[in-house]
Amino acid sequence: DAGITQSPRHKVTETGTPVTLRCHQTENHRYMYWYRQDPGHGLRLIHYSYGVKDTDKGEVSDGYSVSRSKTEDFLLTLESATSSQTSVYFCAIRTPGGTDTQYFGPGTRLTVL
Amino acid sequence: GQQVMQIPQYQHVQEGEDFTTYCNSSTTLSNIQWYKQRPGGHPVFLIQLVKSGEVKKQKRLTFQFGEAKKNSSLHITATQTTDVGTYFCAGYITGNNDMRFGAGTRLTVKP
Repeated sequence: DAGITQSPRHKVTETGTPVTLRCHQTENHRYMYWYRQDPGHGLRLIHYSYGVKDTDKGEVSDGYSVSRSKTEDFLLTLESATSSQTSVYFCAIRTPGGTDTQYFGPGTRLTVL
Repeated sequence: GQQVMQIPQYQHVQEGEDFTTYCNSSTTLSNIQWYKQRPGGHPVFLIQLVKSGEVKKQKRLTFQFGEAKKNSSLHITATQTTDVGTYFCAGYITGNNDMRFGAGTRLTVKP
């Protein structure tokens, strides 16, 4: 699965606390993505990165920030978690070349109480 | 808002019956991809279609990309219990770097 890991795999936190999710890849892919998955909505893009320190917003970026200081790590931060951010978060990488395929990490289940 | 629509949201079939899910985009897609997600798992890439009118087959799965590159379908012949999961279509909007996913069709198969 393209050497993608996510941490933590599960987290329960309280409203108003900061949360950082980590995505780590071992194959130096340029593009990395953060999605959230909620029932009835499929996968919605939060932010993506096209290189170290190069990031852009997706369709549901409000309340989230990202950072990519190294090729292998892409961090997603919820500065002040809200209950509406309870979701399953998936990281993905995009393979180079013409296929544009995305490979997903195992996901992080986040619950905000 | 979501630009890639997928129907139906749910489909329950008897083992051996056929299954089809449809995907429609409000804008032209540079390509369309299909993913399968098993319960509790993560999305796994199945196939990519690039050309207008393209049809590809993987054993019992047939994928089509519309002539206008705005719609696609996945058809499974003679479903098996191993086909259970949620099937997502996803496409890159022409000129964009981000992929938009349909909401998925959740397939359940009764043995």
